[in-house]
Amino acid sequence: AQKITQTQPGMFVQEKEAVTLDCTYDTSDPSYGLFWYKQPSSGEMIFLIYQGSYDQQNATEGRYSLNFQKARKSANLVISASQLGDSAMYFCAMKGSYQTGANNLFFGTGTRLTVIP
Amino acid sequence: DTEVTQTPKHLVMGMTNKKSLKCEQHMGHRAMYWYKQKAKKPPELMFVYSYEKLSINESVPSRFSPECPNSSLLNLHLHALQPEDSALYLCASSQDWARYNEKLFFGSGTQLSVL
Repeated sequence: AQKITQTQPGMFVQEKEAVTLDCTYDTSDPSYGLFWYKQPSSGEMIFLIYQGSYDQQNATEGRYSLNFQKARKSANLVISASQLGDSAMYFCAMKGSYQTGANNLFFGTGTRLTVIP
Repeated sequence: DTEVTQTPKHLVMGMTNKKSLKCEQHMGHRAMYWYKQKAKKPPELMFVYSYEKLSINESVPSRFSPECPNSSLLNLHLHALQPEDSALYLCASSQDWARYNEKLFFGSGTQLSVL
């Protein structure tokens, strides 16, 4: 069975500073994808970044980077140079392989990030 | 066009009403999804359509009835709902359902209140 753990219910960061949002996962599936989504108060889930289980390099997308430590089963999101518009709920999610029946996107409990001016 | 459009944005209904939620995408995606999200909780999968066929029903009560008229449209028909069904209903789509590296594109959701 898949499991995603986000241990930080809420985080605060000063504007222009960097922040790390933690995510650990558990799966026996060798093929899986890890995703981070942002959900502002408007409700839409916005895709931020993806890391595949076989990817050798950490993923980066603009100000977002993913610190992927496969042996520790962690996939932390790093947001650099925080902006006021980054205040939102952030979800870590995982998708496994069709062969194991784990190919549905499964979400962690989320971390609410507040950026302080 | 990388949008998933959901209508209506807000819906208030009584327990005896029948209503429908609509979702549309024009990205050529062949998988579409309904998720339910209660306040301060993560989204939970309800249904998956792959190539217009229902592939996953996560033990959802029959008062929720999904429909996929074509590859671009997804409906969720609601009948005799309970107050505990009040939630944000999110639609999503992806190129393919089976691949683990497929990202899902989400709509902005329908906020449903059942009185």
